[in-house]
Amino acid sequence: SQQGEEDPQALSIQEGENATMNCSYKTSINNLQWYRQNSGRGLVHLILIRSNEREKHSGRLRVTLDTSKKSSSLLITASRAADTASYFCATAQGAQKLVFGQGTRLTINP
Amino acid sequence: DAGVIQSPRHEVTEMGQEVTLRCKPISGHDYLFWYRQTMMRGLELLIYFNNNVPIDDSGMPEDRFSAKMPNASFSTLKIQPSEPRDSAVYFCASSIAGGHETQYFGPGTRLLVL
Repeated sequence: SQQGEEDPQALSIQEGENATMNCSYKTSINNLQWYRQNSGRGLVHLILIRSNEREKHSGRLRVTLDTSKKSSSLLITASRAADTASYFCATAQGAQKLVFGQGTRLTINP
Repeated sequence: DAGVIQSPRHEVTEMGQEVTLRCKPISGHDYLFWYRQTMMRGLELLIYFNNNVPIDDSGMPEDRFSAKMPNASFSTLKIQPSEPRDSAVYFCASSIAGGHETQYFGPGTRLLVL
């Protein structure tokens, strides 16, 4: 069953602009993670935010988590062509496994 | 470290044939996961191992699928007999600290069953 649902499904912006993707989930979580997948490649871990954290930064990435709304957002600032990829949120539930959403396909136009 | 290694990278086979996918996790990682990715169903967890022991195989679609981990550095996912609906990209991932923590994915095996 899908736990994380990303929104929007696709996003196209100009290079240099900021990109924001959202993730909503349904049940309580231990943590929430964001992964990137370039076309034809495996997923790459970007950032992990725990349930007791509200915001986390990593380079040009900023992740927020609102457990009361069961939602998270990923902000990529000053986007680059190399950021073109699909982005997935994954929620860590009671068992030792992650449940991935369907992803947001991000396209950065030069 | 070489990261998670998967082979083959591409596999084309005919319906009814046996398919074996292979994975070498990152050394020292105690957790190994097999996922399947399709356009329709997204990324699905098939099975995961902890210290070479299968812990949760509830995602394995049916008896045609089986997975083994004979030692800490090798795992296989076998489909016998294969069907066209098994066509997908199969990923192996490993984790040092558990399924809730960061998972490191291999490049995937793209399987096409004709």
